[in-house]
Amino acid sequence: EAQVTQNPRYLITVTGKKLTVTCSQNMNHEYMSWYRQDPGLGLRQIYYSMNVEVTDKGDVPEGYKVSRKEKRNFPLILESPSPNQTSLYFCASREGGAAQPQHFGDGTRLSIL
Amino acid sequence: AQKITQTQPGMFVQEKEAVTLDCTYDTSDQSYGLFWYKQPSSGEMIFLIYQGSYDEQNATEGRYSLNFQKARKSANLVISASQLGDSAMYFCAMREVFYNTDKLIFGTGTRLQVFP
Repeated sequence: EAQVTQNPRYLITVTGKKLTVTCSQNMNHEYMSWYRQDPGLGLRQIYYSMNVEVTDKGDVPEGYKVSRKEKRNFPLILESPSPNQTSLYFCASREGGAAQPQHFGDGTRLSIL
Repeated sequence: AQKITQTQPGMFVQEKEAVTLDCTYDTSDQSYGLFWYKQPSSGEMIFLIYQGSYDEQNATEGRYSLNFQKARKSANLVISASQLGDSAMYFCAMREVFYNTDKLIFGTGTRLQVFP
């Protein structure tokens, strides 16, 4: 089954404790992205990757890191999480081509205390 | 800068009626794509429909159609014959078509409630 898999689905942690949210896709997509969703703000893009070793900032990259060492994986790293990073996070991937939509994972709900 | 505006925080529609969800966008570029996504209460994001800036005809996908008015920079989603299962958040999004970027901008969403 074609899918984007995020782990963990839920996490409660404390300020300053480094964490990684993994994202893996099995569709051989070149493009991958991370978004955060906050009430009243919609989804905002954090980082995106257009291929292995090619990443770039979205609209809200502060406090986050990403890497793309393999085509299928695109982890999101919070080196020193803070409460304002409490949010619902989505990973997505897509094929090349302007008309191609994002395929989203099921989301990761992070709570930073 | 790119911007997507969805001015309707919430909408109500009776089952079997049609409903229009508004979306306006702002871009200085000529080449872009517009997307609509549905987010049910279970949380997943579901792609509904796509319209390219150079497409001359309005996109349609089953009960979904996109009323694209380029001069007014609007891309409204029309859902015909609403069903109870259409109750969800709906997001409009835009991607500028450049070879060296994959930025996607979302609106703040419209919550649609379908009642019997």
